[in-house]
Amino acid sequence: QVQLVQSGAEVKKPGSSVKVSCKASGGTFSTYAITWVRQAPGQGLVWLGGIIPIFGTATYAQKFQGRVTITADESTSTVYMDLSSLTPEDTAVYYCARDQSDYTYGYMTYWGQGTLVTVSS
Amino acid sequence: EIVLTQSPGTLSLSPGERATLSCRASQRVSSTYLAWYQQKPGQAPRLLIHGASSRATGIPDRFSGSGSATDFTLTISKLEPEDFAVYYCQHYDSSPITFGQGTRLEIK
Repeated sequence: QVQLVQSGAEVKKPGSSVKVSCKASGGTFSTYAITWVRQAPGQGLVWLGGIIPIFGTATYAQKFQGRVTITADESTSTVYMDLSSLTPEDTAVYYCARDQSDYTYGYMTYWGQGTLVTVSS
Repeated sequence: EIVLTQSPGTLSLSPGERATLSCRASQRVSSTYLAWYQQKPGQAPRLLIHGASSRATGIPDRFSGSGSATDFTLTISKLEPEDFAVYYCQHYDSSPITFGQGTRLEIK
């Protein structure tokens, strides 16, 4: 059974960066896309980007290009999402999710528990 | 980017009734690369439907998906109390992946 466990809640100052981790267990790690999705309070779901660890190169939503960096550590089956230049509008729950099919970005079968990132001065 | 527009924004129904949720795409979604999710307060989304009409593992058969190209529908045949939640459609045809804004299904 695939499980995704995310790091804990963060409180950050405007202008700073946050790094959220997502550790996968069960099943193969390297060939499945891990995607990051965020949800601001009371709002909908927004795709930030993702990575297929075996390929090493991440893909990003244009809206977040230049501010988000997604990396994978195959030795620990962990994916990281780093978001810089934070503003209060980045306050949201950040989810990692994994595809059902390998080597592709598709529908998200498995989800982490979510990490609340609060940006406040 | 493919924009997904869901309607209605809120749907008020009673248990036992049939729910029909719509998702319209701004351009054709090829190969029916369309998924539906259910989200309850404080929880991560849960995959219901992929490939426009294939139920995910463990999803009751009262949930069904249909449609193609630009018009997709999620139908819940007979609402159970646990079905009242927010529903999102998502395409995975191309980058960027996008979600609809959601339909809130509330108890009448």
